Amino acid sequence: AQSVSQHNHHVILSEAASLELGCNYSYGGTVNLFWYVQYPGQHLQLLLKYFSGDPLVKGIKGFEAEFIKSKFSFNLRKPSVQWSDTAEYFCAVRDSGAGSYQLTFGKGTKLSVIP
Amino acid sequence: AAGVIQSPRHLIKEKRETATLKCYPIPRHDTVYWYQQGPGQDPQFLISFYEKMQSDKGSIPDRFSAQQFSDYHSELNMSSLELGDSALYFCASSLGQGHNSPLHFGNGTRLTVT
Repeated sequence: AQSVSQHNHHVILSEAASLELGCNYSYGGTVNLFWYVQYPGQHLQLLLKYFSGDPLVKGIKGFEAEFIKSKFSFNLRKPSVQWSDTAEYFCAVRDSGAGSYQLTFGKGTKLSVIP
Repeated sequence: AAGVIQSPRHLIKEKRETATLKCYPIPRHDTVYWYQQGPGQDPQFLISFYEKMQSDKGSIPDRFSAQQFSDYHSELNMSSLELGDSALYFCASSLGQGHNSPLHFGNGTRLTVT
């Protein structure tokens, strides 16, 4: 079974700082990769997804992620964060070669942006 | 655009009681997933349904059961509730079971067991 590791539990940044959140997964086969954001008290919202093709994926709100197959990584980036980006970010993976379609989530990274 | 609707938003139950959570997927979505997110935890997959049939099973306790109805809405039934069942329960839906179908999540039902 696949697992997802998010390296940072809590990241604190000042506004306009650049962001990179790490995500590594364990499965060696073909995977679908996702980043979800959860604002305080709200549901999970899809930021971006990778299925195939260009490994650099652009999502909503200025976020992007790069799939590096050799490193089993799918790191999330944003050049300049805003206070409104304060939220928890979850990386998720789905084994696209199996008959299972559910997602496996990482433990999440809480991002706090200081004005 | 219509989203995944979950009801109720909040539910307070006592130990050993039962609870039923409902999920209405995005129109035309035929696949429903249930997740449990404990305080400060990542979402854990419970169970999923495709075309009214159970398609996958995760860490769902035997005390819980679920089903998907002909209109594709789903209900999660929880019996003999325990304090540890207190969590946020998310439902997600997708169109088809293809691997190119992202999951869209509802706002969740916050269950508190006292």
